Amino acid sequence: KNQVEQSPQSLIILEGKNCTLQCNYTVSPFSNLRWYKQDTGRGPVSLTIMTFSENTKSNGRYTATLDADTKQSSLHITASQLSDSASYICVVSSMDAGNMLTFGGGTRLMVKP
Amino acid sequence: DAGVIQSPRHEVTEMGQEVTLRCKPISGHDYLFWYRQTMMRGLELLIYFNNNVPIDDSGMPEDRFSAKMPNASFSTLKIQPSEPRDSAVYFCASSLARTGRIGYTFGSGTRLTVV
Repeated sequence: KNQVEQSPQSLIILEGKNCTLQCNYTVSPFSNLRWYKQDTGRGPVSLTIMTFSENTKSNGRYTATLDADTKQSSLHITASQLSDSASYICVVSSMDAGNMLTFGGGTRLMVKP
Repeated sequence: DAGVIQSPRHEVTEMGQEVTLRCKPISGHDYLFWYRQTMMRGLELLIYFNNNVPIDDSGMPEDRFSAKMPNASFSTLKIQPSEPRDSAVYFCASSLARTGRIGYTFGSGTRLTVV
């Protein structure tokens, strides 16, 4: 069964600090992995998307890494801001069954001043 | 581009009533997805369309749920009769290609509360 596990479930950090969110997956055959940011009351917004051959992708202060061998991904946030407070969802797409998406449960990040 | 537009943003209804959620995908996108999000189960795919045709509705909870896409610019998700356990946020998303390389774009969601 395709699964995506994220850790931690929630995280509180001080403004300006860095943090790293983890994603482990067992989706096969793998197509791509995305990180989404979801603000409270809003839909998920794509931050990065990586295919099998890409092991890092940056979007401003967000940097995602992918290790396809260990089936792990991380999202690193640098110099956090209050506006980074949101849920971060790891989503893995399978080449099987028409590229269906498997969603992680998300990490709820709170950045405090 | 206005993005994926959903309406209403919030819906409160009594158990047993019919509820209709609406979605306007991004113009030119040929895939449309309906998701449900709850705290307990996260995001779940309910149904998706390709070129207005339903492809996979295996995620639809039961016969009380139905979805239509009469044209490329409009889709509805209907619940009849609604039950309190249907309370959730319902998201519509659209995509240009099934591989999704360009990425899915989600609407802002409809928060449904059934009392």
